[in-house]
Amino acid sequence: AQKVTQAQTEISVVEKEDVTLDCVYETRDTTYYLFWYKQPPSGELVFLIRRNSFDEQNEISGRYSWNFQKSTSSFNFTITASQVVDSAVYFCALSVGSGNTPLVFGKGTRLSVIA
Amino acid sequence: GAGVSQSPSNKVTEKGKDVELRCDPISGHTALYWYRQRLGQGLEFLIYFQGNSAPDKSGLPSDRFSAERTGESVSTLTIQRTQQEDSAVYLCASSPSTGPANYGYTFGSGTRLTVV
Repeated sequence: AQKVTQAQTEISVVEKEDVTLDCVYETRDTTYYLFWYKQPPSGELVFLIRRNSFDEQNEISGRYSWNFQKSTSSFNFTITASQVVDSAVYFCALSVGSGNTPLVFGKGTRLSVIA
Repeated sequence: GAGVSQSPSNKVTEKGKDVELRCDPISGHTALYWYRQRLGQGLEFLIYFQGNSAPDKSGLPSDRFSAERTGESVSTLTIQRTQQEDSAVYLCASSPSTGPANYGYTFGSGTRLTVV
């Protein structure tokens, strides 16, 4: 069975601080995909990134960066110089295989960035 | 359409009544997914469709829940004899081809269901 654990339920930071959101996953499949989604107060989920199990390169997109480590089954997300607009719930998700298997989501981390 | 559209956006119903929730996926998206999100919780998978068939119904919580999809387009999630524990946001997502592996999902804004 697949499982995604986001141990941090809520995080609060002051604007311009860096913050890392943790994600640990479990699967026995060798082919899988990892995702991060953002859910702002409006409620609509926004896709941030997809990473496949064969690509352990870290990725940076503006203030966002992702650290994928298969050795620890982790896919952590860092926001640099956080802004109030980053306040949202962030979900990590996992899909195994290469077909239509549904995403399994973690319970989410609520990030509050205070001005 | 340009995005995934769900209706109604809000629904308040009395306990014991049936409700229908509708999802219009992005045109051409063959995969469609339903999730439930209880207040302050993560997303709970309910069912997915590939075309008009549902290969995985494992997430439906009880036989009061059913879903269908017609014309590889609109999907309807029906909850019969609603209970208070059914109160949640019901999210629909679609994906262009063979699921999230290549494309990820595009989510709708959800239907907030309140059973009183």
